Amino acid sequence: KAGVTQTPRYLIKTRGQQVTLSCSPISGHRSVSWYQQTPGQGLQFLFEYFSETQRNKGNFPGRFSGRQFSNSRSEMNVSTLELGDSALYLCASSSGVGTYYGYTFGSGTRLTVV
Amino acid sequence: DQQVKQNSPSLSVQEGRISILNCDYTNSMFDYFLWYKKYPAEGPTFLISISSIKDKNEDGRFTVFLNKSAKHLSLHIVPSQPGDSAVYFCAATDGGAQKLVFGQGTRLTINP
Repeated sequence: KAGVTQTPRYLIKTRGQQVTLSCSPISGHRSVSWYQQTPGQGLQFLFEYFSETQRNKGNFPGRFSGRQFSNSRSEMNVSTLELGDSALYLCASSSGVGTYYGYTFGSGTRLTVV
Repeated sequence: DQQVKQNSPSLSVQEGRISILNCDYTNSMFDYFLWYKKYPAEGPTFLISISSIKDKNEDGRFTVFLNKSAKHLSLHIVPSQPGDSAVYFCAATDGGAQKLVFGQGTRLTINP
């Protein structure tokens, strides 16, 4: 079955702009999580959506937001971009059911803010 | 505050030998631990996991050991192969958190 698809793969934006990233999970998976990877902070949890509802949120400012659609596809939005937002943004797909479940990651979107 | 730590940023091992990657955690609520492998320009790939009710889990060349009293886990790769060269991330979660807390990663290089 198809893996996790993230679009676009690469993005260059100017400080102050906003950006929307997209993630299509594995078919049948209802949970989508977002992570930010930077050299300094490593991989950090942004938020998780399950059946169109945000279930958990990490410690990021309100400029970072997300949503999930009825087909489980998810988008994350970053408004008023700052240079420090340059990172690899990873989406992880899972069933979201049960106590422990596997996460399958997409290849990520590399965002560069100039 | 970094709840999951991988203190070795890099590790170099001879092909065929054992690679041992280490991870420490501070949050006693963590009860499920995972190892991921990551190549450049790709997302992390799941390798192996272990529940806190176990102290060892094996999958082929990969074995994860968990020492709950020391809040320490390790990943053993035997024998190491050139294709194992990648960045390895340790991650932890608790039952209801729906999120993974990652370590900073260890870059493993397997030398021929």
